[in-house]
Amino acid sequence: GESVGLHLPTLSVQEGDNSIINCAYSNSASDYFIWYKQESGKGPQFIIDIRSNMDKRQGQRVTVLLNKTVKHLSLQIAATQPGDSAVYFCAEGLGGYQKVTFGIGTKLQVIP
Amino acid sequence: GAVVSQHPSRVICKSGTSVKIECRSLDFQATTMFWYRQFPKQSLMLMATSNEGSKATYEQGVEKDKFLINHASLTLSTLTVTSAHPEDSSFYICSAREQGAGQYFGPGTRLLVL
Repeated sequence: GESVGLHLPTLSVQEGDNSIINCAYSNSASDYFIWYKQESGKGPQFIIDIRSNMDKRQGQRVTVLLNKTVKHLSLQIAATQPGDSAVYFCAEGLGGYQKVTFGIGTKLQVIP
Repeated sequence: GAVVSQHPSRVICKSGTSVKIECRSLDFQATTMFWYRQFPKQSLMLMATSNEGSKATYEQGVEKDKFLINHASLTLSTLTVTSAHPEDSSFYICSAREQGAGQYFGPGTRLLVL
């Protein structure tokens, strides 16, 4: 479904700690789930994606977990660094990346 | 690879004027381009999807006569905000998709209508 405009929730973490950002999605038909990072005044930057037939995927310092039973997606960032401070959006892809719908973002603040 | 550019990065215009924003895929051919709008502290909202050489498909609630989209080539799409008003002030972001690949986003264009 359409994402709803709301004020962004904020997650504050200490530098070096692990961060977990959660997301609930709405469309059971989505076949891709994507995490994007957006820094202030910039466009979204791809972090990692996962196909709907998987439940976990790992990248460099990041892990995405997908729970289709409860329509939940999470992004784990290991050893969070100040450069990780940004707004993180989950997104659902239909037909691959044919149509991407963004969820509500989460602002990550890393405390040095 | 997969770089998408937008021009201009920032534009200020008077109410009632029209503004054109360009989106280019620099190192790949984009079969499909997308235009999003983002208001402060909100998510990206898809406005329209355009395929090269055909008419754009607009999302519900987006006025096609106000937001004109032209996807003239496999590397260029333009969004024209016609008769812009202050409520059109926003961050406009395009993305481009190569056949069978993901969406790559441009850096965005900040529009301020006075």
